[in-house]
Amino acid sequence: SQKIEQNSEALNIQEGKTATLTCNYTNYSPAYLQWYRQDPGRGPVFLLLIRENEKEKRKERLKVTFDTTLKQSLFHITASQPADSATYLCALVNDTGFQKLVFGTGTRLLVSP
Amino acid sequence: KAGVTQTPRYLIKTRGQQVTLSCSPISGHRSVSWYQQTPGQGLQFLFEYFSETQRNKGNFPGRFSGRQFSNSRSEMNVSTLELGDSALYLCASSPYGRHLNTEAFFGQGTRLTVV
Repeated sequence: SQKIEQNSEALNIQEGKTATLTCNYTNYSPAYLQWYRQDPGRGPVFLLLIRENEKEKRKERLKVTFDTTLKQSLFHITASQPADSATYLCALVNDTGFQKLVFGTGTRLLVSP
Repeated sequence: KAGVTQTPRYLIKTRGQQVTLSCSPISGHRSVSWYQQTPGQGLQFLFEYFSETQRNKGNFPGRFSGRQFSNSRSEMNVSTLELGDSALYLCASSPYGRHLNTEAFFGQGTRLTVV
């Protein structure tokens, strides 16, 4: 069956360090992958999108890699700040073009001052 | 530009009742998707509408239904509520039809509690 796995345990890091979050998937061939941020009691907010033929994407302090051979995406936040504390979700989309996102369970990031 | 608006924000219902949730997408967006979020199952896709047509449906029982109006506003309905239907229901809109390079814009969600 299709599975998308993210670290279920919270990731605790110190301010200024780089946070690296992992998204692994099985039995799935996504056309592209998205990363979202979700704060408690709020809806997810889009951060980055990467296509299957792209290796890396950057936006300000954020970087995403996508390895379709390893079936893995890594999400990096450099120079992390306490305001980056949130749950981060990866979502996969197949090539039908329909707006159906298949989400991982999310990883909670805690950045301490 | 106003974001995605979901009403109501909070709802408490009794087992066996039915409930209707509403979603107003961002102006100009024609695709509306619905998701259920629970601590155990995470975010799960319910269905997606585009131009008043349901194009895709997740693995949920027939008690979950939806519709989209000509102004792109959407409603979802859950009949014969069960305790397990307690969840955060999220609506997401996007501007395009069959387009791969599209992010989803989520609303704040409706927190449904079934007692």
